[in-house]
Amino acid sequence: GAVVSQHPSWVICKSGTSVKIECRSLDFQATTMFWYRQFPKQSLMLMATSNEGSKATYEQGVEKDKFLINHASLTLSTLTVTSAHPEDSSFYICSATSYLTTANTGELFFGEGSRLTVL
Amino acid sequence: GENVEQHPSTLSVQEGDSAVIKCTYSDSASNYFPWYKQELGKGPQLIIDIRSNVGEKKDQRIAVTLNKTAKHFSLHITETQPEDSAVYFCAASRPNDYKLSFGAGTTVTVRA
Repeated sequence: GAVVSQHPSWVICKSGTSVKIECRSLDFQATTMFWYRQFPKQSLMLMATSNEGSKATYEQGVEKDKFLINHASLTLSTLTVTSAHPEDSSFYICSATSYLTTANTGELFFGEGSRLTVL
Repeated sequence: GENVEQHPSTLSVQEGDSAVIKCTYSDSASNYFPWYKQELGKGPQLIIDIRSNVGEKKDQRIAVTLNKTAKHFSLHITETQPEDSAVYFCAASRPNDYKLSFGAGTTVTVRA
């Protein structure tokens, strides 16, 4: 299957600082990327959908000014947690697909996740 | 929107026995049903999926069945091994909609 890489895999930051997480599709062009957050022992909750070259679509209840998403190229999407607070500590996961892939198989390719801890 | 329910939340089986996880979905238009395995500290990994035009799919020790009329689908793992211990998630999506709705997850523990 296709490879999606996330970086960093874990990050610790001070409250009030901003943290950027990268999601890269290594061997295919991702027209669409998704960002999820996952609290311990819970399921994945979709935060937003980003299509290359356009603004992200946020799920209800997700603050777009808090979680900035950029999908400037077909292989890279970034999630920036601005002015992070302890309650933002979570496991953030991205997934990627291309319209052609999804139309044929429906499959999404997931990254390994990034654990954010805000002190 | 789509609501996916998953049961049980935890499952403990003896090595070599079978494990079955069941999911129901609410949106009759959903047509894609993947299953993911997530190990601690890692992202989900697709293990098997099924589309609504198929009733059953098998890949070695893993099988998925789909009952579209009843709107439920199940994951079957046979001859379980300790490395099958993980959290398993079911999901569903509609045609041409790439957003997945996930179940709550099942923590599977295989006892050696």
